[in-house]
Amino acid sequence: EAGVTQFPSHSVIEKGQTVTLRCDPISGHDNLYWYRRVMGKEIKFLLHFVKESKQDESGMPNNRFLAERTGGTYSTLKVQPAELEDSGVYFCASSRLTLAGGPPSSYNEQFFGPGTRLTVL
Amino acid sequence: AQTVTQSQPEMSVQEAETVTLSCTYDTSESDYYLFWYKQPPSRQMILVIRQEAYKQQNATENRFSVNFQKAAKSFSLKISDSQLGDAAMYFCAYRSASRNFGNEKLTFGTGTRLTIIP
Repeated sequence: EAGVTQFPSHSVIEKGQTVTLRCDPISGHDNLYWYRRVMGKEIKFLLHFVKESKQDESGMPNNRFLAERTGGTYSTLKVQPAELEDSGVYFCASSRLTLAGGPPSSYNEQFFGPGTRLTVL
Repeated sequence: AQTVTQSQPEMSVQEAETVTLSCTYDTSESDYYLFWYKQPPSRQMILVIRQEAYKQQNATENRFSVNFQKAAKSFSLKISDSQLGDAAMYFCAYRSASRNFGNEKLTFGTGTRLTIIP
């Protein structure tokens, strides 16, 4: 099966511009996650979709970031307007749904995409 | 909130030798998962090994094994018989095992860049 794909692989924009990143999860994966790694730092969680609903968006840095997952398939992450500190690699991951109340061993692996490297000048 | 610390930004090892990557974490939860992910240069991040906190036995996957010390909150990765293809960025990660929705996010460390010397 095809893996998680992300587009574009690289994006260079100027401060104040808008950029939209796209993630296509593995077919059948209802969970979709966005993460970000700023240069030299840890990979940080941004948000989690279950199908088309935002389950957890506690990691979104501010209201310049807007994530959508219309129809519960692919997702977009828009940054508007972009700032210098938004530079980094944005990762998307997907996994199968884990049923609440399941046994501790019910874990579904998150599969990661190759990331989008965003540079804001 | 949980935190994951990787204190070795870079490590190197001679091909065919053994190397250990360190990871410590902090949590107040008793049930959780720990992971090591590998990201080769310009390639996707893949799961190397997983450990469930309720299991006392250390996980092993071929040449990769972990030393899980729950009381010390330590989770190191040992790579035996290092190969050139093991060169990558390695990330340690934590995930709650809570059965509620909304607890599936991964918390990562800053990563360790592993170089294999031929």
